[in-house]
Amino acid sequence: DGGITQSPKYLFRKEGQNVTLSCEQNLNHDAMYWYRQDPGQGLRLIYYSQIVNDFQKGDIAEGYSVSREKKESFPLTVTSAQKNPTAFYLCASTPRGGNTEAFFGQGTRLTVV
Amino acid sequence: GENVEQHPSTLSVQEGDSAVIKCTYSDSASNYFPWYKQELGKGPQLIIDIRSNVGEKKDQRIAVTLNKTAKHFSLHITETQPEDSAVYFCAASIRYSTLTFGKGTMLLVSP
Repeated sequence: DGGITQSPKYLFRKEGQNVTLSCEQNLNHDAMYWYRQDPGQGLRLIYYSQIVNDFQKGDIAEGYSVSREKKESFPLTVTSAQKNPTAFYLCASTPRGGNTEAFFGQGTRLTVV
Repeated sequence: GENVEQHPSTLSVQEGDSAVIKCTYSDSASNYFPWYKQELGKGPQLIIDIRSNVGEKKDQRIAVTLNKTAKHFSLHITETQPEDSAVYFCAASIRYSTLTFGKGTMLLVSP
């Protein structure tokens, strides 16, 4: 089945540690996105990439980093510089850059302990 | 940049009633307006979308209306069922740009 796979579903991190969230898609989509979701805040864009080896900051990029070495993969690293990393993280993809249906993964819930 | 406002934040209805969720957007250049449904612990899924050259679109019990002049669009769900209970998000985008989402509406349908 085609889709977006995020792993792990739940992730616990100690303060001061970096952690990487995985996102893989087999939809042959060009663009991929990372969103952060907090209660009552909707979906806020962290980073996006419209082509391999290129990515742009979204609205809340501070404390996060990404890479796009393969079309299928767009991992997100939550660094120790992110002051409040506990949240639900969603990865999405579109066939081309925006303005069309976005397909979402099932999310990763990150908790700092 | 684009700003999307969504109301209400929570909506409770009885099974069989209609539900309406409203969104406004700020950028008159926006031309794509999707609606997503998110169930607890899952990723959002597209339920209906509309482009700026269309005023209304229906798909069985759900419909979306768009008023470009007023810069607002609405989701209408008729004959609500308990399985419609979820969080609904509206969004807007400009061609070749990213989606900007509203903050969501939690819909609760009571049997």
